[in-house]
Amino acid sequence: KAGVTQTPRYLIKTRGQQVTLSCSPISGHRSVSWYQQTPGQGLQFLFEYFSETQRNKGNFPGRFSGRQFSNSRSEMNVSTLELGDSALYLCASSSGYTDSSGANVLTFGAGSRLTVL
Amino acid sequence: AQSVTQLGSHVSVSEGALVLLRCNYSSSVPPYLFWYVQYPNQGLQLLLKYTSAATLVKGINGFEAEFKKSETSFHLTKPSAHMSDAAEYFCAVTSNTGNQFYFGTGTSLTVIP
Repeated sequence: KAGVTQTPRYLIKTRGQQVTLSCSPISGHRSVSWYQQTPGQGLQFLFEYFSETQRNKGNFPGRFSGRQFSNSRSEMNVSTLELGDSALYLCASSSGYTDSSGANVLTFGAGSRLTVL
Repeated sequence: AQSVTQLGSHVSVSEGALVLLRCNYSSSVPPYLFWYVQYPNQGLQLLLKYTSAATLVKGINGFEAEFKKSETSFHLTKPSAHMSDAAEYFCAVTSNTGNQFYFGTGTSLTVIP
């Protein structure tokens, strides 16, 4: 089955602009999580959506927002871009429930690499 | 709150040598623990997971990890490194609900021919 698809893969923006990233989860998965990955900070959790509702949220400013649609596809938006927002943004999908082993497992997309100039 | 600490941001091994990547966790309840691998310009791929069924967990590509509660550790090992193992490795633990993952800062593995 198809994996997690993130678009666009690469994009360049300038300070002050806004950006929208898209994530299509694995078919049947209802949970989508977003992470910011930078060389100095590793993977930082942004938020998680489950059935169109934000279920968990990390410690990011309000410039970072997201949403999930009824087909489980998710978008994240960053407004008023800053140089420090340059990063790889990773989306991960899961069923949102524990599996037969008791664990919830994340499947990641390839990421969207954002460069802010 | 759950957290993981990966000791050593960079590890270098010779091809054919033992790979040992360290991960210690902090959790108030029995955790679910994971190792993920990231190759350049790709997302993270699940290597293995610990779910309390067995303390020694075998994963893909010859990797395995042992859960040691007394040491709060979940170190990743591979008996013989291959050039293709060069990548970034992340240890992770989930929240009590299993819905939120906490990742370590990663260990970059270099394999020297």
